[in-house]
Amino acid sequence: KAGVTQTPRYLIKTRGQQVTLSCSPISGHRSVSWYQQTPGQGLQFLFEYFSETQRNKGNFPGRFSGRQFSNSRSEMNVSTLELGDSALYLCASSPSQGILTEAFFGQGTRLTVV
Amino acid sequence: TQLLEQSPQFLSIQEGENLTVYCNSSSVFSSLQWYRQEPGEGPVLLVTVVTGGEVKKLKRLTFQFGDARKDSSLHITAAQPGDTGLYLCAGNVIGANSKLTFGKGITLSVRP
Repeated sequence: KAGVTQTPRYLIKTRGQQVTLSCSPISGHRSVSWYQQTPGQGLQFLFEYFSETQRNKGNFPGRFSGRQFSNSRSEMNVSTLELGDSALYLCASSPSQGILTEAFFGQGTRLTVV
Repeated sequence: TQLLEQSPQFLSIQEGENLTVYCNSSSVFSSLQWYRQEPGEGPVLLVTVVTGGEVKKLKRLTFQFGDARKDSSLHITAAQPGDTGLYLCAGNVIGANSKLTFGKGITLSVRP
């Protein structure tokens, strides 16, 4: 069974630009979550989607948005990029939304904003 | 305030040594997971503990969930260089939504 696939792996953008990251979950998984990881803050929850609906949202500004498609694939978008948005963005899929939401992570997209 | 506190933050030991690291909270969790992350990769799930007092073993790794389901420990016996990585604990707070909350992690370095 293929794992979680994130594209692209690496990205360099300029301040003010926008970026779209993609995540394909494990086949059959309907829940997709996004996290931002930085050395100082660790893994910070961005949002979770289940069956195309945003179920949970973290404490990030409105510049961060996402969506999920009917095939469970998900995208996240960051507009008006700032230097502080440089981070590893991780996508995780789970079999279902429930108590045992074990997360299966992709390799991440390393975003550098210059 | 971090919901899950992991300690120590950094640990550097010699191959063959034993170690124990901790994940603590004032909240009660319905389940708790441990992940290991290597540089440039995403975290990989090691174990999930659900029942208070539960102990699970994965080769040389022993995971324990506290009786009150507020804390967990990870013990590694005879550490090897391949154990090097970032160890993250994560859990679901009882009564909250299904969002997984992560600790900041423990950076373990095992020297040959």
